[in-house]
Amino acid sequence: DAGITQSPRHKVTETGTPVTLRCHQTENHRYMYWYRQDPGHGLRLIHYSYGVKDTDKGEVSDGYSVSRSKTEDFLLTLESATSSQTSVYFCAISEPPGGTGRGSTFFGQGTRLTVV
Amino acid sequence: AQSVTQLDSQVPVFEEAPVELRCNYSSSVSVYLFWYVQYPNQGLQLLLKYLSGSTLVKGINGFEAEFNKSQTSFHLRKPSVHISDTAEYFCAITRGSGGSNYKLTFGKGTLLTVNP
Repeated sequence: DAGITQSPRHKVTETGTPVTLRCHQTENHRYMYWYRQDPGHGLRLIHYSYGVKDTDKGEVSDGYSVSRSKTEDFLLTLESATSSQTSVYFCAISEPPGGTGRGSTFFGQGTRLTVV
Repeated sequence: AQSVTQLDSQVPVFEEAPVELRCNYSSSVSVYLFWYVQYPNQGLQLLLKYLSGSTLVKGINGFEAEFNKSQTSFHLRKPSVHISDTAEYFCAITRGSGGSNYKLTFGKGTLLTVNP
């Protein structure tokens, strides 16, 4: 296991409410990511972070924000949840190649979010 | 921009038969390539990766893949599949040398179903 914990694992929320998903890593890696998985779309990048307080948008960032105040935690917030944000959300960390780095990206177990 | 195409959305095979899951990519720069497997209701597990060196890479569970730069392909193969290989398989790429902060671009996935 790559030492990634996502919480909660399942959540049902109502349209219009804010929701925060948490990703916690124990690997002290610089790079962290949030992806969403939808049938027929594979995984798509929402936001990513390349250091504490350093974040940037991915390809499907509308309606989402992120924060990273500590190396180990990366939060994803849905500011006002909509039904189109019903999805499975995966956090990932990346270990660049070189030195002891394995040149790989590792994923958490996912959070299944349903917006009703 | 980069893209990944997995040519088959579903591949049914019989147990002990060989299988090939096809992946083609488009990129104007060098890339690192990955295959991930996802079992039902689980996260993504790294099967194998190509960063550099030998174009034939071996991964876990008896899978291997060959990087073909001229064909821009990275097809996944296994000589004899088991029922337990039933899962969804994702091909992914990232810009080589970390130029994109190791963000992954995914294909839409191939569902491998192994029948007795």
